[in-house]
Amino acid sequence: GEDVEQSLFLSVREGDSSVINCTYTDSSSTYLYWYKQEPGAGLQLLTYIFSNMDMKQDQRLTVLLNKKDKHLSLRIADTQTGDSAIYFCAERSNTGKLIFGQGTTLQVKP
Amino acid sequence: DTAVSQTPKYLVTQMGNDKSIKCEQNLGHDTMYWYKQDSKKFLKIMFSYNNKELIINETVPNRFSPKSPDKAHLNLHINSLELGDSAVYFCASSDTTLRDGYTFGSGTRLTVV
Repeated sequence: GEDVEQSLFLSVREGDSSVINCTYTDSSSTYLYWYKQEPGAGLQLLTYIFSNMDMKQDQRLTVLLNKKDKHLSLRIADTQTGDSAIYFCAERSNTGKLIFGQGTTLQVKP
Repeated sequence: DTAVSQTPKYLVTQMGNDKSIKCEQNLGHDTMYWYKQDSKKFLKIMFSYNNKELIINETVPNRFSPKSPDKAHLNLHINSLELGDSAVYFCASSDTTLRDGYTFGSGTRLTVV
């Protein structure tokens, strides 16, 4: 079946790195995504990775993909208070829809 | 310029009422979606339309009826509202490749009292 799982909560200090982890089940997923949701707002696409890539870097964001273990991670370098939000991992299923994880709430302490 | 816009942003209504939420996208996308986000932030797809044709219809009570008058609009009508319908409803759109994922609207917070 299609399932995406994430830990629910992560707390870090400002300036530290944050690593948010995700596991998925559909090995045929072509794209995997990270979205950010701030309070009272919709989901904003942060980055995506194609399934034939192992890593993608975009400024402070680094995405790592381990296809063998079906594990995806998002690393945020030099985490700021403005990074506090809920982060959703999503995979593209073979039916074309996106399957979302439960979301990881990132709390950044000053 | 707003890419995916939903109205209203907030909706408070009594049980048993009928209400509609409207969604419009100006991105030229051919696929639109409705998602429901519950109080635990879990996102579940409800419907998807591609060029006005229904392609995904998850297990949703038939009190929920989507309507797509054209590929830039996808509205959601809900009959006989129940307390359990209280949630945030998100509209989204995408192109066929899904390379850029979905573009989401800012959500409609529905509260049924």
